[in-house]
Parts: sequence; C-alpha cells; structure tokens
Amino acid sequence: DVKVTQSSRYLVKRTGEKVFLECVQDMDHENMFWYRQDPGLGLRLIYFSYDVKMKEKGDIPEGYSVSREKKERFSLILESASTNQTSMYLCASKGGGSYSYEQYFGPGTRLTVT
Amino acid sequence: GENVEQHPSTLSVQEGDSAVIKCTYSDSASNYFPWYKQELGKGPQLIIDIRSNVGEKKDQRIAVTLNKTAKHFSLHITETQPEDSAVYFCAAGHPFNDYKLSFGAGTTVTVRA
Repeated sequence: DVKVTQSSRYLVKRTGEKVFLECVQDMDHENMFWYRQDPGLGLRLIYFSYDVKMKEKGDIPEGYSVSREKKERFSLILESASTNQTSMYLCASKGGGSYSYEQYFGPGTRLTVT
Repeated sequence: GENVEQHPSTLSVQEGDSAVIKCTYSDSASNYFPWYKQELGKGPQLIIDIRSNVGEKKDQRIAVTLNKTAKHFSLHITETQPEDSAVYFCAAGHPFNDYKLSFGAGTTVTVRA
C-alpha cells in the first residue's frame, strides 16, 4: 500500500513564526502536492512538485514556499505564519506517466496560528 | 482555470436509502473525474473515478455517471450504511496539466441508523 505520512497531526504556532510541514511518501512517486482544506472551500492547491527540486505554484501560493530536495520528501514552509493560515494541510503524491491518475493523501496536519 | 461546483453541501439519509451528490465543471478539456471519501481524522481516499470515454461506472453500491455535454457528473450510493458517513469530494482533471485536480467544496453525508 502507498503510504503518505505527515510529520505532525496537530500544530500550534504563534503569529510570525516560521513553520515547516513535512511530508514523506514511500512509493517513489514523481508528483507531490500540498493542499489546504477549509470548510466550504474544499481542497485548494498551494504548490506541487513534479520532480526533485522542481516546483510550481498552485491556486493559492501566497505566504507559502516549498522544498523538495529528495524524491520522497516534500516540505511546506510558512515563512511568517499568520492567523489566516490556520487550516488543515494535506499532502498527496501521484505517480508519473500518462496513466497515473490517483492521488494518495496523508492524514493531514491541523495547524492553528495564534 | 477549472471550476468545480458540488451540491449539496450536507446530506442526511436514512440507513438503506440512496444518496446522490452532483458536481458541475467548467473546463471542457477535463476528462478525468474522481470521487474521494474523507473519514473523520483521515485524508481523502479515492473511491471511484470515471473518464470521459464512458458515461457510467459502477462498483458494488457506488456508481458515477457523467454527462459531458452538460458538464456534470454525479455520485450515487445505494443501500447506504453507517460507514458511508463521511465527507465526499468530487474533482476534475485533464491531461494538459498532468491531471492536477480541481476539487469541489465537499458534501458531508450522514447516514441515520
């Protein structure tokens, strides 16, 4: 089974702190994603990466950056956390190639910024 | 970009009844339509998907229908059971963006015993 793990289930940070969210997948997938989940808004794509050191902005990249130094690991960085970044953050991975469609999700990190 | 709308936002059904969730999409290039189920405390998990070369797909108690002309697709759950209680998300993707997905807002389904 594909396994996507996220470093924390719950995180509480102060406004202005630098926050790192880590995601690791064990299926050698080329593609990795960071989403933000808010009630009534569904899942919104923050950033994705299609290869090591490669990244592209998603729909809501403002206030976030990412890092992918190794194929299995994709990090989301909040340079200066703000209260409007309080949310559930979901990481996902997907294989490459024309016939790889399914995204596999981690359990999520619920971040609270006070 | 793609815009996916999902209705209803909440759905309460009696155990054994059917549940239907509907989604519309805006980008006619989209040709992949998955449905994800998110149980409490877990990440979303794919339960069924459909590609635009078929109009309907069934897997035991769940089925998905697609109307490409009208740009809408639906999830049907028959003989609902308590374990069907969850949040369901529809999504749309297409090959021109390597099947990055645009998700609907989600439907919270509650099955009453």
